[in-house]
Amino acid sequence: DTEVTQTPKHLVMGMTNKKSLKCEQHMGHRAMYWYKQKAKKPPELMFVYSYEKLSINESVPSRFSPECPNSSLLNLHLHALQPEDSALYLCASSQGTSVIYEQYFGPGTRLTVT
Amino acid sequence: AQSVSQHNHHVILSEAASLELGCNYSYGGTVNLFWYVQYPGQHLQLLLKYFSGDPLVKGIKGFEAEFIKSKFSFNLRKPSVQWSDTAEYFCAVSVSGTYKYIFGTGTRLKVLA
Repeated sequence: DTEVTQTPKHLVMGMTNKKSLKCEQHMGHRAMYWYKQKAKKPPELMFVYSYEKLSINESVPSRFSPECPNSSLLNLHLHALQPEDSALYLCASSQGTSVIYEQYFGPGTRLTVT
Repeated sequence: AQSVSQHNHHVILSEAASLELGCNYSYGGTVNLFWYVQYPGQHLQLLLKYFSGDPLVKGIKGFEAEFIKSKFSFNLRKPSVQWSDTAEYFCAVSVSGTYKYIFGTGTRLKVLA
């Protein structure tokens, strides 16, 4: 199984809502990532988890809160988002955090903030 | 700042034409280089990668790329494209000793049947 799954596929939320994005992989990977991709732009790294611990936070606003409950799951909790946060949110995983490892990407969650 | 440039934003080719997509990066240290592809409605997939050794790297589906260190380039090539190669192609660079991938802006390839 070389798949990274993400739910939901689409999410529309208001600026006062609280929602969560979920990501799951069963490849035994120990590194997981959240990326944000705006239309016609490349993916931008948000967070990196290594062995279930947050390793990198790319200066992401606190309205985005990641969580790694176990080695297979990665969540992104959303609260008080702004319309400019509308984007495709991609999850990825890799064997480890060394950049020699290929990253496997999920299909993404398309988020619209109204 | 580290950056990755893909100069061709949109490319349209007929089937059987040859393909070359440019990728240049701006970092002088040790880098690892990747090409990812995103087919319509699908997720990003790795086409090929370069870490060291032979600068000519062969990937899946007949793609290859050549690392030219002196030119800071990692161009993607395919001798004869197919309609099924229609996709968006991203070059990515990672810097040894960091966790980060830096993606280029992508090239949308359309192959006409």
